Amino acid sequence: DIQMPQSPSSLSASLGDRVTITCRASQGIGDYLAWYQQRPGKVPKLLIYSASTLQSGVPSRFSGSVSGTDFTLTISSLQPEDVATYYCQRYNGALKTFGQGTKVEIK
Amino acid sequence: EVQLLESGGGLVQPGGSLRLSCAASGFTFSSYAMSWVRQAPGKGLEWVSVISGSGGSTYYADSVKGRFTISRDNSKNTLFLQMNSLRADDTAVYHCAKGLQTTGTTNALDNWGQGTLVTVYS
Repeated sequence: DIQMPQSPSSLSASLGDRVTITCRASQGIGDYLAWYQQRPGKVPKLLIYSASTLQSGVPSRFSGSVSGTDFTLTISSLQPEDVATYYCQRYNGALKTFGQGTKVEIK
Repeated sequence: EVQLLESGGGLVQPGGSLRLSCAASGFTFSSYAMSWVRQAPGKGLEWVSVISGSGGSTYYADSVKGRFTISRDNSKNTLFLQMNSLRADDTAVYHCAKGLQTTGTTNALDNWGQGTLVTVYS
């Protein structure tokens, strides 16, 4: 099975900071990767699919990129409403594995 | 507006069975793959299973293969998850989720239900 380790597992940043979360596939998955945001007590929300395509209605401060098997979610300027846990997910193949999540807090 | 409403969760003893349902509305149900994703209390997301729009293709996580069965009734816009031989580590909130595009099971998940809680206790 293709593993999807995420890093860091948690981070604390100041408002307005640039935040970067990484997900590394253990094998090539093309661009079949999505990022989700789960605010406390809420259901997950799709932010990005196909590694870098912003889902409709998602603020432009969120972006995704890929280099080989390394996938990155970037928040260009952290806002209070961005406090959440972020998950990557590969969705090609038979097994649609999630990363273990990255908890983002405000410093 | 897409709506997904899960039901069927509850308390069950180890080795028992439950059948979850997910009633869908607001989109052409038969055109989209549907998934089940679970989240144990205080833990991360775990993908469980996916079924294609026609129901002809199904996939399962290794942790549930042979015990869980995903199915759908496109005439009733309803998704199911039959769970047998339940174990304590199956305790979680189970969400149904809709595939983003009408392109089979290779899809991100763009709409999620609120979930139904399954508790396996001894």
